Amino acid sequence: AQSVAQPEDQVNVAEGNPLTVKCTYSVSGNPYLFWYVQYPNRGLQFLLKYITGDNLVKGSYGFEAEFNKSQTSFHLKKPSALVSDSALYFCAVRDAGASSYKLIFGSGTRLLVRP
Amino acid sequence: SQTIHQWPATLVQPVGSPLSLECTVEGTSNPNLYWYRQAAGRGLQLLFYSVGIGQISSEVPQNLSASRPQDRQFILSSKKLLLSDSGFYLCAWSVLAGVGTDTQYFGPGTRLTVL
Repeated sequence: AQSVAQPEDQVNVAEGNPLTVKCTYSVSGNPYLFWYVQYPNRGLQFLLKYITGDNLVKGSYGFEAEFNKSQTSFHLKKPSALVSDSALYFCAVRDAGASSYKLIFGSGTRLLVRP
Repeated sequence: SQTIHQWPATLVQPVGSPLSLECTVEGTSNPNLYWYRQAAGRGLQLLFYSVGIGQISSEVPQNLSASRPQDRQFILSSKKLLLSDSGFYLCAWSVLAGVGTDTQYFGPGTRLTVL
């Protein structure tokens, strides 16, 4: 069965510092991995995805994520956090070999960037 | 470019009343369409998905139903709302145009409060 874990309910970081939001996954085959961001009372916005190839994926708003197959992780990172990055972040996975297009979402991590 | 619309944005309904939420997508053809519910600002629960007109897959037995009367229209309904139906309802679309291209893109959501 597919699953995603986001072990931190909340991550606190000071503006200008690097940030990391953790995600680990479990699929039977190769994973397609996604990160989304949600601002209050808004829909989810797509940030980036890993399909194949380079393990370091760059996305919107200066975010990047590193795929680590041996650790089954796909942590979201940003070198310098902004207060405006404060939001709810979701990691999601799909088994590349599955016939269904369904995504499995993690429970979300709230990022709080303090000035 | 593609856009996705949901309405209404907010809705307050009494217990036992009917429900109809609408989602439409512009700028693409034959999309996969999805309905999610998000409770308490956290995890997403996939309710229904559709790969074509009249083709609906239900993920969770519940008080809700979905229909897809047109290619780019997806409707979430209920005959009698329950208190537990309160939540933030999100519609999403994706199009498979090649390996790993089926990224889901979300609408702005509908906040439903059942009293």
